[in-house]
Amino acid sequence: KQEVTQIPAALSVPEGENLVLNCSFTDSAIYNLQWFRQDPGKGLTSLLLIQSSQREQTSGRLNASLDKSSGRSTLYIAASQPGDSATYLCAAKNRGATDSWGKLQFGAGTQVVVTP
Amino acid sequence: DTGVSQNPRHKITKRGQNVTFRCDPISEHNRLYWYRQTLGQGPEFLTYFQNEAQLEKSRLLSDRFSAERPKGSFSTLEIQRTEQGDSAMYLCASRARQGGNTEAFFGQGTRLTVV
Repeated sequence: KQEVTQIPAALSVPEGENLVLNCSFTDSAIYNLQWFRQDPGKGLTSLLLIQSSQREQTSGRLNASLDKSSGRSTLYIAASQPGDSATYLCAAKNRGATDSWGKLQFGAGTQVVVTP
Repeated sequence: DTGVSQNPRHKITKRGQNVTFRCDPISEHNRLYWYRQTLGQGPEFLTYFQNEAQLEKSRLLSDRFSAERPKGSFSTLEIQRTEQGDSAMYLCASRARQGGNTEAFFGQGTRLTVV
């Protein structure tokens, strides 16, 4: 059974610093890995989707890497801003026989605070 | 179409009452998912629809829960005889038909509080 872990659970950085968020998964048989942002009391906003054949994906200040062999993905946010304060979740879409319908296995998230 | 829409955004109910939530997916998406998220945790899968067919249900979905997607468009999730443990954020997501690796889009969720 796929287990997705995000460490640390919370992170505080001063404005301008680069953010590095970690996601690890136990089963490397994934179709893709997706990163989301969640503001308090709100739904999930998709940030980046990395296919299993890709090593990284970029969008603006965001860059996500994927290393299936080590079961890790990392989300980098360059030059953090107070508006980046949110919870960041990663989710794996598995390849297993019981996972053909595309449901996602989520980590618990990393809560980020960027201080001015 | 601006995205996945969920209603209501918030629901407070007394224990033992029934509640129903609605999800309108992105119009061209034939795949629809329900998830439940409790405080400090990631969302957990509840059920999946492909068009109008409910193809998978999690063990989390007790017999008090029922979901429908008539005509393969919007979906409803009903909880009967609510319990305090049902308090959570209920999230709906949809995904396009093409390929197996498309992006999932989530709604804003319905936050349920059972008092």
